[in-house]
Amino acid sequence: GAGVSQSPSNKVTEKGKDVELRCDPISGHTALYWYRQRLGQGLEFLIYFQGNSAPDKSGLPSDRFSAERTGESVSTLTIQRTQQEDSAVYLCASSLEAPPLNTIYFGEGSWLTVV
Amino acid sequence: GIQVEQSPPDLILQEGANSTLRCNFSDSVNNLQWFHQNPWGQLINLFYIPSGTKQNGRLSATTVATERYSLLYISSSQTTDSGVYFCAPIEFSGYALNFGKGTSLLVTP
Repeated sequence: GAGVSQSPSNKVTEKGKDVELRCDPISGHTALYWYRQRLGQGLEFLIYFQGNSAPDKSGLPSDRFSAERTGESVSTLTIQRTQQEDSAVYLCASSLEAPPLNTIYFGEGSWLTVV
Repeated sequence: GIQVEQSPPDLILQEGANSTLRCNFSDSVNNLQWFHQNPWGQLINLFYIPSGTKQNGRLSATTVATERYSLLYISSSQTTDSGVYFCAPIEFSGYALNFGKGTSLLVTP
């Protein structure tokens, strides 16, 4: 596609429910990144994929968080048993390769609210 | 990991004024980007600038990699420049952007 596409754009969920957030990277981009941004804060790195492999998962905040990627396309970030502290914007980004020696592009984010 | 410090943390300008935002980082980098996050939360790429100087309209950026800093210049500021400006480098051994805390800019009419 023309840009990084994320869905849903907004999600309100009850504490304890599972949520899935989807990211469609720019076509041809092999590297994909997930970040989290809490209100008024900077961006916190979660995980990156090179193809469908995730070499480093240490940024995931807890074992309730997981992510997968199908080939060099769609990625899904899953949060199980959501807690109120999971409320944030989840941003996805992609680049031609990793490590990226060119521009990394961000989607518009998925705003998650846990009530 | 690489440490990123941005200054000033907050800035208020009157429309038409110029400003310089600074980003210091603690390690050698092979990628550095500047972003503008608008009031609706969208992250907009401004520059990919691991070294050297680039200009785009009223904005320009300079990275001096050997001295581990980057500067973003905004000239003739407009109210639409309001938002948060992030610097995000990647160290040579790394693979993902590391974000500073940002500079929050408000341009008043």
